[in-house]
Amino acid sequence: GQQLNQSPQSMFIQEGEDVSMNCTSSSIFNTWLWYKQDPGEGPVLLIALYKAGELTSNGRLTAQFGITRKDSFLNISASIPSDVGIYFCAGRTGGSGNTGKLIFGQGTTLQVKP
Amino acid sequence: GAGVSQSPRYKVAKRGQDVALRCDPISGHVSLFWYQQALGQGPEFLTYFQNEAQLDKSGLPSDRFFAERPEGSVSTLKIQRTQQEDSAVYLCASSLVPGQGVYEQYFGPGTRLTVT
Repeated sequence: GQQLNQSPQSMFIQEGEDVSMNCTSSSIFNTWLWYKQDPGEGPVLLIALYKAGELTSNGRLTAQFGITRKDSFLNISASIPSDVGIYFCAGRTGGSGNTGKLIFGQGTTLQVKP
Repeated sequence: GAGVSQSPRYKVAKRGQDVALRCDPISGHVSLFWYQQALGQGPEFLTYFQNEAQLDKSGLPSDRFFAERPEGSVSTLKIQRTQQEDSAVYLCASSLVPGQGVYEQYFGPGTRLTVT
């Protein structure tokens, strides 16, 4: 099935470092979402973006909806150990009759260097 | 309040067995989605309900997969004659309003299905 291209696939960071990840698509989306998934749990919504160019923050997290509507970025500032996990981008197309189903990226695994 | 719950959390089935996975959405949520998440991948859409109506089943991989939501609340995903490639985590999500809008999908913890 269709998936978004998410990068990097994984990253090791030092506590306190800033983190960036991005997601691209060949299709236009009218909504971009960023989720975090911990082992054995379902994805939890971090940030939702609804307009091209929109920049939204949630604590140390900042995400942007690309102006082409084909990409999105997530930044985490001053990472802490509990940031470890898998981050997924998800997009949703618009139009009448659309059910609202989400298309997900492959995920970025964030690990903190000991 | 209570979130989305799924049961069982883990299911081991022998190849060829039928399985049934249950989802209890957040009370009052109109929309219900099922996703399949293979190991190391993002979730992939299976099917969508608005109340009791199954409006989109385009993601169901074969006719061995069947979902229902007869009273517009609890949903069951059934897989007949399971195959090894069915091994995955099955996630259920619900949202307050149909499809679009700022009321986003809330996910349950998933059911991990292993077919041996």
